[in-house]
Amino acid sequence: DQQVKQNSPSLSVQEGRISILNCDYTNSMFDYFLWYKKYPAEGPTFLISISSIKDKNEDGRFTVFLNKSAKHLSLHIVPSQPGDSAVYFCAVQSYNTDKLIFGTGTRLQVFP
Amino acid sequence: DSGVTQTPKHLITATGQRVTLRCSPRSGDLSVYWYQQSLDQGLQFLIQYYNGEERAKGNILERFSAQQFPDLHSELNLSSLELGDSALYFCASSAGQGEETQYFGPGTRLLVL
Repeated sequence: DQQVKQNSPSLSVQEGRISILNCDYTNSMFDYFLWYKKYPAEGPTFLISISSIKDKNEDGRFTVFLNKSAKHLSLHIVPSQPGDSAVYFCAVQSYNTDKLIFGTGTRLQVFP
Repeated sequence: DSGVTQTPKHLITATGQRVTLRCSPRSGDLSVYWYQQSLDQGLQFLIQYYNGEERAKGNILERFSAQQFPDLHSELNLSSLELGDSALYFCASSAGQGEETQYFGPGTRLLVL
């Protein structure tokens, strides 16, 4: 049973435009949400996170939105750059366990 | 560079063999996590150690074991290897427990022939 879903396996966006990556989760007990970026042959790199007590967190070009009622998480990248081309994973964590549960990833391609 | 190091980068071995993967966490981090990424399963949590003690177990097979040493480095031992164990194995570390960001190493790519 997949607790974290990224329903779009890939996304293609023009440079300068907004990239929106989505993530849905099933368990309302999750209370910490993260996005990681992964390039080929490298480990996941932490991007941004949000606690369940917030609905938005911003860091430069990256903004994460959390809709707890819909159990939905999204990552906005504005403006998108070719260097953002990578696989993006959302991950969730519960307060009583440290393990991360990952989505299956979305491959973002930003073209000129 | 996350500060987490993993060796070896690549490993090719045969079925039935045993291998050891090594991880050094970021300086000062007490928690070490192991994750497996296979083609059909995505990133799956295997096991966590905190300051030398096992803290949590995930989908780790009985053929697999891990430990964290007094200098906080960790080793993941995989034995009686099967073709299906071919995967990327990532180590991550965090400062402590709870809502601490986990930083990942570059991974070890294991190929079982």
